[in-house]
This record gives sequence, structure tokens and C-alpha cells, in this order.
Amino acid sequence: KAGVTQTPRYLIKTRGQQVTLSCSPISGHRSVSWYQQTPGQGLQFLFEYFSETQRNKGNFPGRFSGRQFSNSRSEMNVSTLELGDSALYLCASRVLAGTNNEQFFGPGTRLTVL
Amino acid sequence: AQSVTQLGSHVSVSEGALVLLRCNYSSSVPPYLFWYVQYPNQGLQLLLKYTSAATLVKGINGFEAEFKKSETSFHLTKPSAHMSDAAEYFCAVSAGGNNRKLIWGLGTSLAVNP
Repeated sequence: KAGVTQTPRYLIKTRGQQVTLSCSPISGHRSVSWYQQTPGQGLQFLFEYFSETQRNKGNFPGRFSGRQFSNSRSEMNVSTLELGDSALYLCASRVLAGTNNEQFFGPGTRLTVL
Repeated sequence: AQSVTQLGSHVSVSEGALVLLRCNYSSSVPPYLFWYVQYPNQGLQLLLKYTSAATLVKGINGFEAEFKKSETSFHLTKPSAHMSDAAEYFCAVSAGGNNRKLIWGLGTSLAVNP
């Protein structure tokens, strides 16, 4: 079974631009979560989607948004990029939201904002 | 509210020595606890999880962790370190209820010296 895939793996943008990251969960997984990982802050939860609905949201500004499609694929968008948005963005999928079953992580998208 | 504290952002051991990575949690409800490992340039992989069954949990790659309610701890151990264990290790706690976000520690970087 294929794992969680994220595209692109690396991205370089400049301040003020916007970016869209994509995540394809493991087949059969309906929940997708997004995390921002930075050396100083560790893993910060962005949001979780299940059946195309946002189920949980972290403490990030409105510049960070996401959506989930009917095939469970998810996209994350960041508008008006700031230098501090440089990070590794991780996507994780699991079978169902609201349970404690395992999250499976993708390799991440490394975003650099210049 | 839940929180996780990982004591020691960097731990260094010799090959063959005991590995001990510390994790303390705070939770107002019975917690579910997880240890994940992240190898360079990869996503996170579940090592083991505690979900209110046996307090001593065995995971992959020879790791195990013991849930100690009285000490609010879930320390990760391995009897004999291998060079391939060098990675970042994250402890996480899950809240109760239907929307169970994972709350993450800041991670511990493990170095294994020959």
C-alpha cells in the first residue's frame, strides 16, 4: 500500500507570495492533518480534515487555510508569505478522525521563504 | 488541557549503551501516549503507543516505554543503542473525546557515537 505522499518536496518562495501544498493520504484513510515543523517550535498543529470538513484547527492566522476533496486528498494554502513561514510542512493521514489510531506521516514539504 | 515535556533536547550515547529519552505529560483525562521517530529528511514514524492497556509497551526497533501514572511519565528506552537509532524522537499525548488532537513535545535529538 502506498504511503502518504506530499508534493512538492521542496519549495522556494518570496515574501508576499502565496503557496499551495498537496497531500495524498493512504488509500482508505479519510482524515488528513497538517503540521508545521520548525527547529524552535517543534510540531505545531495546523488543522485536520475529515470527509471534506475541518474538524480541528490550531492557533495559526487566517493566512493558513486548507481543504479536502472527495477523494480525501488535501491541500494547504498559505497566502502573503512571511519569512517566519519557512518550515517543514507535514501531512498525516489516519483511517478515522476522533479515534486514537495511528497517524501516518508523509515526508513533508520544505518551504523556504526569502 | 494536555501538555508534553521532553527533558533534554539533545541526548548523546555510545553505541551499545542504554538509551533513555524522557517524556512527562499533563492530562486532565486518562491519556493516550505516543512516541514517534523522525529520521533525517523523512516524516515521522510511530514507534509505540500506550492506550490504557499494558503499562509496559513494546515498539519497533527494540524500543519500549513504560507508562507511570504516579510520575506522569512515559519514558522511552532501548537496552543497547545502534548507530541507526540516531534520529529525532517525539513524544505526544492525545486528549479524550471525539476530537482527539495530538499534543506534541519539542523533540529530543539522539546522537549515537561509535
